[in-house]
Amino acid sequence: GAVVSQHPSWVICKSGTSVKIECRSLDFQATTMFWYRQFPKQSLMLMATSNEGSKATYEQGVEKDKFLINHASLTLSTLTVTSAHPEDSSFYICSARELAGGYNEQFFGPGTRLTVL
Amino acid sequence: AQSVTQLDSQVPVFEEAPVELRCNYSSSVSVYLFWYVQYPNQGLQLLLKYLSGSTLVESINGFEAEFNKSQTSFHLRKPSVHISDTAEYFCAVSDPTGGGNKLTFGTGTQLKVEL
Repeated sequence: GAVVSQHPSWVICKSGTSVKIECRSLDFQATTMFWYRQFPKQSLMLMATSNEGSKATYEQGVEKDKFLINHASLTLSTLTVTSAHPEDSSFYICSARELAGGYNEQFFGPGTRLTVL
Repeated sequence: AQSVTQLDSQVPVFEEAPVELRCNYSSSVSVYLFWYVQYPNQGLQLLLKYLSGSTLVESINGFEAEFNKSQTSFHLRKPSVHISDTAEYFCAVSDPTGGGNKLTFGTGTQLKVEL
């Protein structure tokens, strides 16, 4: 299957700082990328969907000013957690799909563990 | 709204024994159904999916799942597990409307295969 990478794999930051997480499709062009977060012992929750060159669509309850998503190229999407607080500590996972329209398999990155002190 | 329930958080099983990982879903519309597997330090990988057609779907490594609409279930089975099947398994559902790409996941089941 296609490969999706995330960087960094883990990050620790102080409360009030901003953190950027990168999601890259390594061997295909991703028209759509998805961002999820996962709390311990809980399921993955979709945060937002981003299409290359357009604004992200956020799920209900997700603060778009808190979680800034940029999908500037067909191989890179970034999630910036602004003014992070301890409650933002979580496991953030991205996925990417190649084609638009209809069902197409999503390929998942390995995730980024964010800890906010 | 859709939801997925995986009642078993952990399933220990001996090698070469059969296993069933349970998944029930709730949805007011028709669904696509998925099983994903996650090995340590890796991303989720699609194991198998049901979109339409035959209700019994199979993976290349011996797993199968059957879509049961009346029981709203999509249980994952394997007749004989191997130590390499040890992983976290996630069931997911999506609404076919709009392409079926917005996934709702269950909480996952940790399958531990022991010698």
